[in-house]
Amino acid sequence: GIQVEQSPPDLILQEGANSTLRCNFSDSVNNLQWFHQNPWGQLINLFYIPSGTKQNGRLSATTVATERYSLLYISSSQTTDSGVYFCAGASGGYNKLIFGAGTRLAVHP
Amino acid sequence: NAGVTQTPKFQVLKTGQSMTLQCAQDMNHEYMSWYRQDPGMGLRLIHYSVGAGITDQGEVPNGYNVSRSTTEDFPLRLLSAAPSQTSVYFCASSDRGLDGNTIYFGEGSWLTVV
Repeated sequence: GIQVEQSPPDLILQEGANSTLRCNFSDSVNNLQWFHQNPWGQLINLFYIPSGTKQNGRLSATTVATERYSLLYISSSQTTDSGVYFCAGASGGYNKLIFGAGTRLAVHP
Repeated sequence: NAGVTQTPKFQVLKTGQSMTLQCAQDMNHEYMSWYRQDPGMGLRLIHYSVGAGITDQGEVPNGYNVSRSTTEDFPLRLLSAAPSQTSVYFCASSDRGLDGNTIYFGEGSWLTVV
């Protein structure tokens, strides 16, 4: 099955800094999503991005499907960005998502 | 519009007991699924459903049963709880829309098996 590798595993930032999180897939996926899990455990969908680039406020994501990787950019980070960022992918017609182990982000004031 | 609702939020079970985690969604989504999250790890798919009356196994189905009698509800049953099933359980739903298969999660159910 598909394997998902995320890097870096941990990231510490000062408020206002920018960061890039990476997700590599062992095989092609036609469904790729990024999630944020806040310190209280809540999971929020950030992007559905099987290919191309999307932006939502200070967050943007780019997926290069032919090279089997995706990047999540966080600009001007805030303390509320802290938590764990997961990418997940699936092939086929359903959300049988395989998750990476996550990038744990801590943003300090 | 409540989204995806899971109950209970916290539960302690003794080894060998059975229980059901409830999940309901009010978005008329076709697809529903159950994941478990163990400390320091990503989520792993237990079971999923593509519509009422249709279910299938995910990555880690052993020890769990599901059924989907209505579009709204997708309960997860632990048949005989084991300490290895101590985890946080997330229910999710999704449908095909303009934004693709965006998936929405419930708030999680923390289960401890002693």
